This record gives sequence, C-alpha cells and structure tokens, in this order.
Amino acid sequence: AQSVTQLDSQVPVFEEAPVELRCNYSSSVSVYLFWYVQYPNQGLQLLLKYLSGSTLVESINGFEAEFNKSQTSFHLRKPSVHISDTAEYFCAVSDYGGATNKLIFGTGTLLAVQP
Amino acid sequence: DTAVSQTPKYLVTQMGNDKSIKCEQNLGHDTMYWYKQDSKKFLKIMFSYNNKELIINETVPNRFSPKSPDKAHLNLHINSLELGDSAVYFCASSQGFGRAGTDTQYFGPGTRLTVL
Repeated sequence: AQSVTQLDSQVPVFEEAPVELRCNYSSSVSVYLFWYVQYPNQGLQLLLKYLSGSTLVESINGFEAEFNKSQTSFHLRKPSVHISDTAEYFCAVSDYGGATNKLIFGTGTLLAVQP
Repeated sequence: DTAVSQTPKYLVTQMGNDKSIKCEQNLGHDTMYWYKQDSKKFLKIMFSYNNKELIINETVPNRFSPKSPDKAHLNLHINSLELGDSAVYFCASSQGFGRAGTDTQYFGPGTRLTVL
C-alpha cells in the first residue's frame, strides 16, 4: 500500500525567507508525485507534478520540487516566500501503471508566512 | 465561469436526516471524484466515476451513494447522517483519458457539512 508522510504540520516563515516543505512516500511500485495547494476556504489546486524525465519540476509561481528516488522524497522549495503563499500544501502520489487516477494524500503542511 | 462547482457551500442538519450535495464540471472531463476532508485537513478519496461508470469505491459506509446522471455531474447522497459525517466534501474532475495516474485533478470549492 502507498502512503505519504508530511512530517511538518506547520511551517512558520518570514516573508522573503526561503522555505522547504518535506514530503516522503512509501510505495512498492513506481509512482507519480504531486503537490497541491489549498488557499483558505478554497478547493485544492495543482502546484506541480512529477511524471517522468527531469527530477526537478517547477511551478509558475516560483516553487520547485525535486524527485529523489533513493530517498523516496519529493520536497517542495521556494527561495523567497510572499505573504500570499500562506496556504495548506498537500503532497500526493498515484500509481505508475495503475488503472485509475486515485491519489493518496499526505496530511498537509500549513505554510504560515509572516511579515 | 466556475470550472467545478458544488452546491450547497454550507449544509447544517440534524442526525438521522438524508441530504444531497451536487457537483457539476464544465471542463469536458470524463472523470469525477468525491473526497472527504476531516477536521485535521486529512483528505481521502471516496468515489470516482469515469463516463458515468463507478471506478473507485473506497471503504465508505453504504449510507453514502454517489450518482452520476451524466459525465458533467456527480452527486453525493447521504442517508441517516451521523455526527462523524461532519467534514468538508470536495468534488473534483480530471480528463480521464490519458495515462492513468497522471491526471491533474481540478477541485470544487467544497461543501462544509455539519451534523448536529
């Protein structure tokens, strides 16, 4: 069975500081990896995803994540955060070669950006 | 134009009642989903339909019954509501015809269900 671990439930950080949100997964098969973001009182939106190819993937708003197969990790980073980045961030996996688009989510990390 | 919409946004009801949540997507997607997000923000899939066919049915009490009248709509009916059903329910959709597992899912704004 697959699982996703986000060890940090909350990450407080000052504006313009760098941040890393950690994600580790467990799976007996290859996986696809996703980061979704949930702004207050909204649904989730895709931030970025790793399907294949380059292990470093980027989003349009400055976030990046690196797939590390040996460490089974997919940590999310941003070199300089803004107040508007305050949100809940969810890491998720789906089966490579599975029959459906079933996503297994982590428990989320609240990124709290302070002025 | 809202891509994935849900009604109602808030639902407050008594234990034992029956209620429905409606979901519609205008993205032309083939696959739709229902998720439950509990008070600790943990998000778990409940059901998924592809072209009106049930393809994911997680371990969910049979008081929960999804219905897909067409591929743009996926409704969730809940019978005999219990206190533990209080949560935010999210509908989502995805293309559904690419390689399985790779789809981006588009989420609705959620329905906050409170059972008293």
